[in-house]
Amino acid sequence: EAQVTQNPRYLITVTGKKLTVTCSQNMNHEYMSWYRQDPGLGLRQIYYSMNVEVTDKGDVPEGYKVSRKEKRNFPLILESPSPNQTSLYFCASSQSVYMLEQYFGPGTRLTVT
Amino acid sequence: GQQLNQSPQSMFIQEGEDVSMNCTSSSIFNTWLWYKQEPGEGPVLLIALYKAGELTSNGRLTAQFGITRKDSFLNISASIPSDVGIYFCAGPANAGGTSYGKLTFGQGTILTVHP
Repeated sequence: EAQVTQNPRYLITVTGKKLTVTCSQNMNHEYMSWYRQDPGLGLRQIYYSMNVEVTDKGDVPEGYKVSRKEKRNFPLILESPSPNQTSLYFCASSQSVYMLEQYFGPGTRLTVT
Repeated sequence: GQQLNQSPQSMFIQEGEDVSMNCTSSSIFNTWLWYKQEPGEGPVLLIALYKAGELTSNGRLTAQFGITRKDSFLNISASIPSDVGIYFCAGPANAGGTSYGKLTFGQGTILTVHP
C-alpha cells in the first residue's frame, strides 16, 4: 500500500532533550516536506526536500533540522525542543517538486514540557 | 505569499443534506487541491484540479476550478456521518512563479453531520 509513515505518533518530552521524528514513504517520491499544524495558524511548512541531499527552509524552520540521505526517508530533528514546538507535525511527499499533489502521513503529536 | 480564504468556517448539517464550500485566492492559480482531515489523522487528498472550468468528481464529492482561476468549489451530495472532518483547499504558494512544491492552505471548513 502506498503510504507515508511517521514515528512516533505521540511523544511527550522535556525542554532541551533532543528528539527525532522519522518519516518514510514507499512511493519513490522525490519531494518531501514537513509541516506543523497549530490551532488558528493552519498548516505551515517547516522544511522541504526536492531530492536526496537537497533540502531548504520553509516558513517556520527555526529550531528544526532535517536530512535527506535516502530518497524514502526524511527525518525531522529537534536539537533542543522548547514548549513553543508543541504541535501536530505532518510529513508529506509528492512525485516531484513540479507535482503539487502531496500525500500526508498520519501525524505526530508532540508535547514539550 | 498567497492568501486563501475558505468559507464557511464551519457547517452543521443533517445527514442526507448537500454541502457546498468554496475557496478564493488573491492570485490566479494553475492548480487547486482539496483535502479532508479526520480527527487524529493527516490530510487526505480528495480531488486535484488543473484547468479553469474543470469539474471533477470523486464519489459523492464534486469540485470545480473557477473560471476566474481565483476560486474553487467543493460540493458533497447526500452527506453521511463519515463525511465529518475538516476540509481544506490548497494551491501553489507562489502562483506567479515557482512554488518548489510548496502549498498554501485555506483555513479549513469544519463539517459536522448529525445522523
